[in-house]
Amino acid sequence: NAGVTQTPKFQVLKTGQSMTLQCAQDMNHEYMSWYRQDPGMGLRLIHYSVGAGITDQGEVPNGYNVSRSTTEDFPLRLLSAAPSQTSVYFCASSYQGLAGVDEQFFGPGTRLTVL
Amino acid sequence: GQQLNQSPQSMFIQEGEDVSMNCTSSSIFNTWLWYKQEPGEGPVLLIALYKAGELTSNGRLTAQFGITRKDSFLNISASIPSDVGIYFCAGPLTQGGSEKLVFGKGTKLTVNP
Repeated sequence: NAGVTQTPKFQVLKTGQSMTLQCAQDMNHEYMSWYRQDPGMGLRLIHYSVGAGITDQGEVPNGYNVSRSTTEDFPLRLLSAAPSQTSVYFCASSYQGLAGVDEQFFGPGTRLTVL
Repeated sequence: GQQLNQSPQSMFIQEGEDVSMNCTSSSIFNTWLWYKQEPGEGPVLLIALYKAGELTSNGRLTAQFGITRKDSFLNISASIPSDVGIYFCAGPLTQGGSEKLVFGKGTKLTVNP
């Protein structure tokens, strides 16, 4: 199993550009989530999904969209990038869809810089 | 906003020393999780705690679920250079009918050989 994969590893955008951060898992996990990590702020939840076709907002959802058309994939879209979105983005997944009961497996992260 | 307070924010220790860090919240948690993040990597789960008062070990790591269910502690004994990283506590929080995992801001550990 590849686990949780994220692409790209690094990305530089100009303000106003759009892009999609890809996340895929091959563990048949129901629960998938996106976090951003900023210095001194820990991991903050952006959006999450408890199964295909179901998504919900986390702590910092503004400026981001998600969809979950398949169990395996959970892309994160930035419609109009802003410098405040410069961060490291982590995708995570877990089996049962209850974050506290099951271990969340994290991807390697995408480092995004918005100029 | 974030629900978990971790301390200390950072630690600089000598190899061989023991380390203690903790996580507190104003909310009650039914599960406490401790993760470690190495530079350039995603977090990896170290220990999961499911019961108030529970004490669980993973090698040189020991974590405890506080009796009040509002705190948890992580200890590392006889630290080695590969213990370097950021340690996060996390717990599930139910908001609006769904459960989300929330994280503390982390304790950054530096071990001097």
